[in-house]
Amino acid sequence: QQQVKQSPQSLIVQKGGISIINCAYENTAFDYFPWYQQFPGKGPALLIAIRPDVSEKKEGRFTISFNKSAKQFSLHIMDSQPGDSATYFCAASRQTAGNKLTFGGGTRVLVKP
Amino acid sequence: EAEVAQSPRYKITEKSQAVAFWCDPISGHATLYWYRQILGQGPELLVQFQDESVVDDSQLPKDRFSAERLKGVDSTLKIQPAELGDSAMYLCASSLSLALSSYEQYFGPGTRLTVT
Repeated sequence: QQQVKQSPQSLIVQKGGISIINCAYENTAFDYFPWYQQFPGKGPALLIAIRPDVSEKKEGRFTISFNKSAKQFSLHIMDSQPGDSATYFCAASRQTAGNKLTFGGGTRVLVKP
Repeated sequence: EAEVAQSPRYKITEKSQAVAFWCDPISGHATLYWYRQILGQGPELLVQFQDESVVDDSQLPKDRFSAERLKGVDSTLKIQPAELGDSAMYLCASSLSLALSSYEQYFGPGTRLTVT
């Protein structure tokens, strides 16, 4: 059972544009929603995260929007740069389950110069 | 900057052979996770430790996989015998402690396993 669904699978954006990645979850017990960035051959790097009591969180060019009623959250990358070209994973976890992460399928983002 | 260390970075082994991966979490991190990432997919949890104790190994194929964290610091994941379907990236992650309700998990660079 895929508990976290991520879309799109891939995304091409021009330099300076906005990248938007969406995730939907099923388990309402999830209480932590991070986004990870992964470059080829590397481990995932924590980018930004949000708790369900907040509807939006911004860190630099990265913003998470969270819609608890719709069980959806999204990552916005503003002013996308070629160095942002990577695979992005959303994830969810819950404290009562040891905080183990359930990941989405990933979105490959390509930023064209 | 503190990092999760893993070795080896790459491993090629033949089917039916034994293979082992090592992980050293960020200093002071009590919780350690092993994930497996198949190419093109998100990581999936194999086993989780709090100090030296297993918290969750429900997704660990125990007929061939084993994991230990004897002194509650570094950890070893072993596969014996390896099968072709085990080819994947094996990722180790750590977080401060379940007792502190710390959510942030930090991943190491991974070990890329190829079984031939």
